[in-house]
Amino acid sequence: QKEVEQNSGPLSVPEGAIASLNCTYSDRGSQSFFWYRQYSGKSPELIMFIYSNGDKEDGRFTAQLNKASQYVSLLIRDSQPSDSATYLCAVNKNDYKLSFGAGTTVTVRA
Amino acid sequence: ETGVTQTPRHLVMGMTNKKSLKCEQHLGHNAMYWYKQSAKKPLELMFVYNFKEQTENNSVPSRFSPECPNSSHLFLHLHTLQPEDSALYLCASSQESGSNEQFFGPGTRLTVL
Repeated sequence: QKEVEQNSGPLSVPEGAIASLNCTYSDRGSQSFFWYRQYSGKSPELIMFIYSNGDKEDGRFTAQLNKASQYVSLLIRDSQPSDSATYLCAVNKNDYKLSFGAGTTVTVRA
Repeated sequence: ETGVTQTPRHLVMGMTNKKSLKCEQHLGHNAMYWYKQSAKKPLELMFVYNFKEQTENNSVPSRFSPECPNSSHLFLHLHTLQPEDSALYLCASSQESGSNEQFFGPGTRLTVL
C-alpha cells in the first residue's frame, strides 16, 4: 500500500468552477499535511498546510482534514487558468520526512 | 524568487563523468534535503541534513554522495551514474528537522547518457 495516494487525473474543470482534489494516507500517526502546487518544469510550491481536523481556508483554497478517515482534500474555488498545475499532497509524522503522493494534474478550461 | 537556489539548472553527463550539484538556502534554515523526482512518480527523499549532520540516507546508491559543509550549503556529488538516474533533483530546506514546511529550490534537470 502506498503511503500517500492521489488520483493522477487529469482533472479538468471549467473556469470559475470548484476543483476538488483528494488524498488518502496510510499511517495513522501522521500529524501534518501539506498541499504543494507544481507547474510544469518548475519546483513544488507550498500553498496550504493543515494540522487539525476540519477546514482551513486561505483565499480561494480550502484544505479539509479527517484523521479518522485518513483523508485530506483541497478545494480550489473560482478556478482560474493559472491554477492549471500538478498538486502534490504530502504527509508528515512530525519527523523530518515528508511522504509525497504522485500528484493530481488539474486543467482549468477557459 | 525562491530563497533556495540550485546550480546548475540543467546537466548532461556521461556515465563515466563526475559532477556536483549545488544548493544554497538564504532562509536561515537548519535542515536541508535532497529529493529525486522522476516522471509520474512521487518525490523520493534521498538525504536529510540537520545542523550539518546527516540524519537520513534513504537507501541511496553510493554513486550519489552528499556533502553539507554548513547549514546554508548542500552538495550532491555524482559519479558513474546510470541512465535511470536521469531525473529532476530538488533541494529543499526547512526551519529545523521536525518542522514541516519545506521550501524547494528550482531543481537540476539531470540527463545521464
